Amino acid sequence: AAGVIQSPRHLIKEKRETATLKCYPIPRHDTVYWYQQGPGQDPQFLISFYEKMQSDKGSIPDRFSAQQFSDYHSELNMSSLELGDSALYFCASSLEGSYAYEQYFGPGTRLTVT
Amino acid sequence: EDKVVQSPLSLVVHEGDTVTLNCSYEVTNFRSLLWYKQEKKAPTFLFMLTSSGIEKKSGRLSSILDKKELFSILNITATQTGDSAVYLCAVGGGGSQGNLIFGKGTKLSVKP
Repeated sequence: AAGVIQSPRHLIKEKRETATLKCYPIPRHDTVYWYQQGPGQDPQFLISFYEKMQSDKGSIPDRFSAQQFSDYHSELNMSSLELGDSALYFCASSLEGSYAYEQYFGPGTRLTVT
Repeated sequence: EDKVVQSPLSLVVHEGDTVTLNCSYEVTNFRSLLWYKQEKKAPTFLFMLTSSGIEKKSGRLSSILDKKELFSILNITATQTGDSAVYLCAVGGGGSQGNLIFGKGTKLSVKP
């Protein structure tokens, strides 16, 4: 079965650079969620989109922005990167996500900021 | 403040043992409770629970939710070394429209 696809899988950036992470949800899933997981931490919700509109916002820094496109894929844009942004970034998708239906996670993008 | 608390934080057992992992929550507008298994990669979905008292079962894993006492348990019988992972409990609800509030996880280590 098709799963959530994330790219790139690994990314190394320097401080103050920008990064763009991509997420392709499971086919027919209309909701995408972004989570950040620091070393030894539980995933923290950043932002979500339902039918291309932002549906919820969590602890996403102002330096980050995201959007969902007409094909339902989503991109997380991160600017002015800081060392503390080094983490695993997960994308999850669900169907009719406004009710916290089962969320399926992608493999994650490991971002390292040096 | 919404919160999800898992216990124990870590657990070491031997193959064949049965383990019970706990998850309690205080979340407004509760919608669902989900269990995930995380090895060195993305969380893998195990169960979603929305109704009290209905056990969900998948092989050696089972889970049940008590919405009155605000907790859930995840049971693993006849544990195997492949069950070693962090088990995450997450609750959908609060002021959100779908995002999950995660517990810190229980790190399970199964020794041969």
